[in-house]
Amino acid sequence: EVQLVESGGGLVQPGGSLRLSCAASGFTFSDYWMGWVRQAPGKGLEWVATIKQDESEKYYVDSVKGRFTVSRDNPKNSVYLQMNSLRVEDTAVYYCARGGWSPSDYWGQGTLVTVSS
Amino acid sequence: DIVMTQSPDSLAVSLGERATINCKSSQSVLYTSTNNNYLAWYQQKPGQPPKLLIYWASTRESGVPDRFSGSGSGTDFTLTISSLQAEDVAVYYCQQYYSAPLTFGGGTKVAIK
Repeated sequence: EVQLVESGGGLVQPGGSLRLSCAASGFTFSDYWMGWVRQAPGKGLEWVATIKQDESEKYYVDSVKGRFTVSRDNPKNSVYLQMNSLRVEDTAVYYCARGGWSPSDYWGQGTLVTVSS
Repeated sequence: DIVMTQSPDSLAVSLGERATINCKSSQSVLYTSTNNNYLAWYQQKPGQPPKLLIYWASTRESGVPDRFSGSGSGTDFTLTISSLQAEDVAVYYCQQYYSAPLTFGGGTKVAIK
């Protein structure tokens, strides 16, 4: 059974940093692009970042470029999102999802990031 | 960036009746060399992550009831629920995965009339 489990969310002050993790199981992790999608409270879905199997390609939405970094550790079946210089508008549930240039067929339950003073 | 525009924002349909959701992309998401439309539909219920329903615009994901169908090509797409059931109350999103940034429509909330 495919599972994606996010962790690392929490409350952080504006300008602070957080590192989100997503632990994958139930499939050959190194065969798949992986991505992060976020959803602000009461709002729609926003794709954040995507990373290729070997980390040779990474893509970001403009609003996080230069502040967020996506990475992965294939032996640990994990993907990460390092978030720096956080802003109030980054407050959202962050979902890990399997897929990149393909539909996201599996999603984690999400981890809540709250940026507030 | 490809902008995805969904309509309507919300709709209320009687049980057993048809629900139709539209999605329009600001540029074509049809990859002509493969004749595939890079368009997916997701269902999201309150407190849950999105669930993939349809991909390549019209291919139903495994396990998705056949009352859900997708159609369209190029820039205009439709998700149809042929006979609305109580468990279909949710927000539905279209998404293009043709080019970065991958973008979602604003969502359509489906309720029971």
